[in-house]
Amino acid sequence: AQSVSQHNHHVILSEAASLELGCNYSYGGTVNLFWYVQYPGQHLQLLLKYFSGDPLVKGIKGFEAEFIKSKFSFNLRKPSVQWSDTAEYFCAVNRGGGSNYKLTFGKGTLLTVNP
Amino acid sequence: KAGVTQTPRYLIKTRGQQVTLSCSPISGHRSVSWYQQTPGQGLQFLFEYFSETQRNKGNFPGRFSGRQFSNSRSEMNVSTLELGDSALYLCATTSDREGGGYTFGSGTRLTVV
Repeated sequence: AQSVSQHNHHVILSEAASLELGCNYSYGGTVNLFWYVQYPGQHLQLLLKYFSGDPLVKGIKGFEAEFIKSKFSFNLRKPSVQWSDTAEYFCAVNRGGGSNYKLTFGKGTLLTVNP
Repeated sequence: KAGVTQTPRYLIKTRGQQVTLSCSPISGHRSVSWYQQTPGQGLQFLFEYFSETQRNKGNFPGRFSGRQFSNSRSEMNVSTLELGDSALYLCATTSDREGGGYTFGSGTRLTVV
């Protein structure tokens, strides 16, 4: 069965600091990868997704992620965070090929950005 | 276009009762998935429906069931409620096209007392 591991439970940064959130998955086949964000009191929103092609994926609000197949990783990055980025971030994976629509999520990383 | 609509937003039920939650997908989205979100277990997959057929199922007891209608709207039902069923239940829909993302609704907050 596939699983997703997010290394950090809670990350605290100051505004303008750089961000990198780790995500590793366990599945040897083709995968689709996602990062979702949940702002306080709001629903899950898609930040970015990887299905195929360029392993460096750019998403909304200045976020990007890099798929490194050899490391089974899909880390999320942002060069300079803002107070408004305070939220919980979830990495998710499902099997590629259109045969499986189950998203497996990591436990989430709570990001607190101090002004 | 309108987003994923889940109703009701909040529910309080008593142990032993049953509950039905509803999800209306984005127009054109024919795949509907359900997830349970709790502080301890995080987001866990319940089941997924497409064209009124359940295609995928998670590891939940048979008390959790669902269905999908011809207009792609979906309902999930939980019977014989237990305290541990208290959670945020999320619905996610997709166009079922490879490369399509999943759009989540705001969820139904179920509290079992």
